[in-house]
Amino acid sequence: DQQVKQNSPSLSVQEGRISILNCDYTNSMFDYFLWYKKYPAEGPTFLISISSIKDKNEDGRFTVFLNKSAKHLSLHIVPSQPGDSAVYFCAASGASGAGSYQLTFGKGTKLSVIP
Amino acid sequence: EAGVTQSPTHLIKTRGQQATLRCSPISGHTSVYWYQQALGLGLQFLLWYDEGEERNRGNFPPRFSGRQFPNYSSELNVNALELEDSALYLCASSLSGTSGMETQYFGPGTRLLVL
Repeated sequence: DQQVKQNSPSLSVQEGRISILNCDYTNSMFDYFLWYKKYPAEGPTFLISISSIKDKNEDGRFTVFLNKSAKHLSLHIVPSQPGDSAVYFCAASGASGAGSYQLTFGKGTKLSVIP
Repeated sequence: EAGVTQSPTHLIKTRGQQATLRCSPISGHTSVYWYQQALGLGLQFLLWYDEGEERNRGNFPPRFSGRQFPNYSSELNVNALELEDSALYLCASSLSGTSGMETQYFGPGTRLLVL
């Protein structure tokens, strides 16, 4: 049972345009959400997070939106740059009861930004 | 400030052997998490240590074990290695995982190959 889903395995975007990566979750107990960027054979790099009490968080070119009623979050990258090309993982925590804060990851979306 | 470090970067073992992987968290972080990324699969939670104690474990057999030392570094041991244990093992650290809102920062990973 996949609790965090990234339904698009890949996405191609022209340089300078907006990239929108989507993520859906099924467990309403999740209360903290994060986006990570990953290059092959490297560890994930933290990008941005949002707690369940907010619906938007912005950091430079990156904005995360959370729609709790739809159990959906998205990452917007504006403007997209070739260096943004990587696999993006959505992750969530807080679903395993009090004191359990491990992350549950989606399977990732490979973003390709075309110059 | 140094990030999360892991050693070794690569490890080759044969079936039935034991593997030991090491992780040093970011200075000031007391929580250490271990994740496995097997080929074709997403990142799966393995173990969580905080203040020297195992706080939670994922859906992995008991031959996956570990410990956390007084300096908060951690060791992951995999006994009786099987071919399907071949994967990228990632360590992450965070401030004390007691609020559920601490961001986890990842190391570069150890690539384990079981022959």
